[in-house]
Amino acid sequence: DSGVTQTPKHLITATGQRVTLRCSPRSGDLSVYWYQQSLDQGLQFLIQYYNGEERAKGNILERFSAQQFPDLHSELNLSSLELGDSALYFCASSVGGLASEQYFGPGTRLTVT
Amino acid sequence: AQTVTQSQPEMSVQEAETVTLSCTYDTSESDYYLFWYKQPPSRQMILVIRQEAYKQQNATENRFSVNFQKAAKSFSLKISDSQLGDAAMYFCAYPRNTGNQFYFGTGTSLTVIP
Repeated sequence: DSGVTQTPKHLITATGQRVTLRCSPRSGDLSVYWYQQSLDQGLQFLIQYYNGEERAKGNILERFSAQQFPDLHSELNLSSLELGDSALYFCASSVGGLASEQYFGPGTRLTVT
Repeated sequence: AQTVTQSQPEMSVQEAETVTLSCTYDTSESDYYLFWYKQPPSRQMILVIRQEAYKQQNATENRFSVNFQKAAKSFSLKISDSQLGDAAMYFCAYPRNTGNQFYFGTGTSLTVIP
């Protein structure tokens, strides 16, 4: 158990819909990262937050957004969903320094039908 | 641009034997860190080992060790005395210095044969 929690574990929704994925980092970790793992794309970095502020953006679509709240939990919002958004979405957390290992949550499996 | 390459999509090893998984990376940084993660069928990402580039000594964690060749930008993972529970996808990861977000390789699927 990494100490990072993600909900829900599975999500099935239709094209065009909007969903929210939730992540709680390990106690004491200030950084939260979101990654997308799809079959043909591998693990892709989406976005990072550090202590409530956006720190870096990766290959995140404009239809996707995220935020980190004062209690450090984070939410990833996916809207106007397409079939290609079906993937495993991971949240990871770290203390925040450059050498920090990232600890991953169990992931949310999103299926868009 | 920083990239991470894992050239072995699949590998297999006999139980109790040793296997080495390869990873190469491209960076212009002089000080950085490298990681190996394991993803078993449960899909959980599990940290296996970390290497600091400024350290000459190769990192070791029990049966897992790395062969780090900085000049060659190579970061191999050696698994000794392979066990059935080692069967998983293994990802090499390199964090960007600007924010610590990881670049991942495409992974190596390891099968352990009893």
